[in-house]
Amino acid sequence: DAGVIQSPRHEVTEMGQEVTLRCKPISGHNSLFWYRQTMMRGLELLIYFNNNVPIDDSGMPEDRFSAKMPNASFSTLKIQPSEPRDSAVYFCASSLMTSALSYNEQFFGPGTRLTVL
Amino acid sequence: GENVEQHPSTLSVQEGDSAVIKCTYSDSASNYFPWYKQELGKRPQLIIDIRSNVGEKKDQRIAVTLNKTAKHFSLHITETQPEDSAVYFCASINTDKLIFGTGTRLQVFP
Repeated sequence: DAGVIQSPRHEVTEMGQEVTLRCKPISGHNSLFWYRQTMMRGLELLIYFNNNVPIDDSGMPEDRFSAKMPNASFSTLKIQPSEPRDSAVYFCASSLMTSALSYNEQFFGPGTRLTVL
Repeated sequence: GENVEQHPSTLSVQEGDSAVIKCTYSDSASNYFPWYKQELGKRPQLIIDIRSNVGEKKDQRIAVTLNKTAKHFSLHITETQPEDSAVYFCASINTDKLIFGTGTRLQVFP
């Protein structure tokens, strides 16, 4: 398996532009997570999906952020409009959750480094 | 909600020495505690994990201990090598999502 795939790997955009980050989870995994990493705030969970359904989006910073998972093999995180403070590395991770009490390793993608000028 | 505190934020050791990183959590219902290693510019990767029904787990040079009563868990790296230099994150499961500590930057000097 190729692991979790994210695109683009780097994105530089201007303030006010729309940004779309993409993620392909590991085949067979049923949970998908979007994280944001900055020096100041560390690793923050933005949203996660289970069986393509958003379960918890309490970490989404504001309405400018939205995420979708139209099928088991694809998810997007969109920022519209983008702002300089959104500059960060965004990671997607996936795992196989077999039951509510059985947690398994989350595999991270390589991340997307976003710079908003 | 769950809160995970991690100490120290930076740790420097001589090659061959041991390194210990400690974390505390707040939710007594948490029952899964993974440790991730993140090298510069790369993704976090799981190095070891422990579940609440176990007090200690070891994998070659790394070990994790869990004290459920005190709500703390620790990562132990023995015989450190320069390639152990990285940022290490502890985490705990709160309901069904990971809550990460703030990370420890470990530097191993040759």
